[in-house]
Amino acid sequence: QSALTQPASVSGSLGQSITISCTGTSGDIGTYNYVSWYQQHPGKAPKVLIYDVTYRPSGVSNRFSGSKSGNTASLTISGLQAEDEADYYCGSYTSTAIYVFGTGTNVAVL
Amino acid sequence: QVQLVESGGGVVQPGRSLRLSCAASGSMFSNHGIHWVRQAPGKGLEWLAVISYDGSKKYYGDSVKGRFTLSRDNSKNTVYLQMNSLRGEDTGVYFCGKDLGTTSLFFYYGLDVWGQGTTVTVSS
Repeated sequence: QSALTQPASVSGSLGQSITISCTGTSGDIGTYNYVSWYQQHPGKAPKVLIYDVTYRPSGVSNRFSGSKSGNTASLTISGLQAEDEADYYCGSYTSTAIYVFGTGTNVAVL
Repeated sequence: QVQLVESGGGVVQPGRSLRLSCAASGSMFSNHGIHWVRQAPGKGLEWLAVISYDGSKKYYGDSVKGRFTLSRDNSKNTVYLQMNSLRGEDTGVYFCGKDLGTTSLFFYYGLDVWGQGTTVTVSS
């Protein structure tokens, strides 16, 4: 099972919005709505931001939102803040290998 | 709310074994699958394995299949990852994580609670 494909890096200015894509196949994102997004700061454990494509756990800022179209899921961060600088990973259930993460995206706040 | 704590990491020679533990505090541990995820130095997250809430189903990624074995003891709120025939490429931080789903055997929805990680270094 290959990792889901994400851009290696995305950057934006304070207050701007950015979108991170996550491309899979019909065996994962294209068929199942079990896509999650995780934020990881250096040296820390990942934290879930979005689950089931669009749902935010309690305590997660509403500046984070998720969506899906076909085999591609997306995470949008609006009103970019300095503390959003981190690595972001998508993850999905997959019929062939149970679970798979994306390749990861480093977000830089300019 | 469940909290998870990994332990058992360390330095081990290639070909040797190590057992990691993932201990949970809080309620409802026995209703959830538990995943193990690895992060090699400077690399991304790699899903390794998951054990169902009751321990009856275990699934492994290709990189560890046949070498790593999952088990759980719900009376002790603990999941174990037995790692055999360790290789240099097994070096990394190992996280355990609780699945979002409840009492699921076949579908796994994502990880909503993560431990802080334990470091495994395979080196001679």
